[in-house]
Amino acid sequence: DSGVTQTPKHLITATGQRVTLRCSPRSGDLSVYWYQQSLDQGLQFLIQYYNGEERAKGNILERFSAQQFPDLHSELNLSSLELGDSALYFCASSVATGNTEAFFGQGTRLTVV
Amino acid sequence: QQQVKQSPQSLIVQKGGISIINCAYENTAFDYFPWYQQFPGKGPALLIAIRPDVSEKKEGRFTISFNKSAKQFSLHIMDSQPGDSATYFCAASLYGQNFVFGPGTRLSVLP
Repeated sequence: DSGVTQTPKHLITATGQRVTLRCSPRSGDLSVYWYQQSLDQGLQFLIQYYNGEERAKGNILERFSAQQFPDLHSELNLSSLELGDSALYFCASSVATGNTEAFFGQGTRLTVV
Repeated sequence: QQQVKQSPQSLIVQKGGISIINCAYENTAFDYFPWYQQFPGKGPALLIAIRPDVSEKKEGRFTISFNKSAKQFSLHIMDSQPGDSATYFCAASLYGQNFVFGPGTRLSVLP
């Protein structure tokens, strides 16, 4: 158990809908990363937050947004969902924003039908 | 420039053999190179990591070799076991702000 908690574990929703994925980082970790993992794209970095502020942005679609709250948990919002958004979404956390270990949660499997 | 290439895509090794996975990067500013192990249905788990000022790092049966001039690094798994069967990802990051992952190598260790 990495100490990173993601909910829900599975999510099935229809195209055009909006969903929210939640991540609770390890105790003491200030940095949260979101990744998308699909069969043909591997692990794609979406966005990073550090202590409530956006720190780095990857290939995140405009339909997607995220935030980190004062208690350091983070949410990834996916809207106007398309079939191609079906993937595993991972959250990872690390102590700081420097080169420290990043620990991954178990992921949320999103299926868009 | 942000890409990390990884090979082979899949690897089959006999129990007790050596598994070798290679990665190459382009951005010379990358300063942290971790390897992750992922089992089906689980999140990636950090296996071992290296910084570019070190040419080799060993932890148990796992060794990272790092060649800064060639912009390459590799993972060696000695005495490979069936329990090592998983997907392995190399990654590179810059100040821990953006972990760029390789496409992964699916390792199968035959009993």
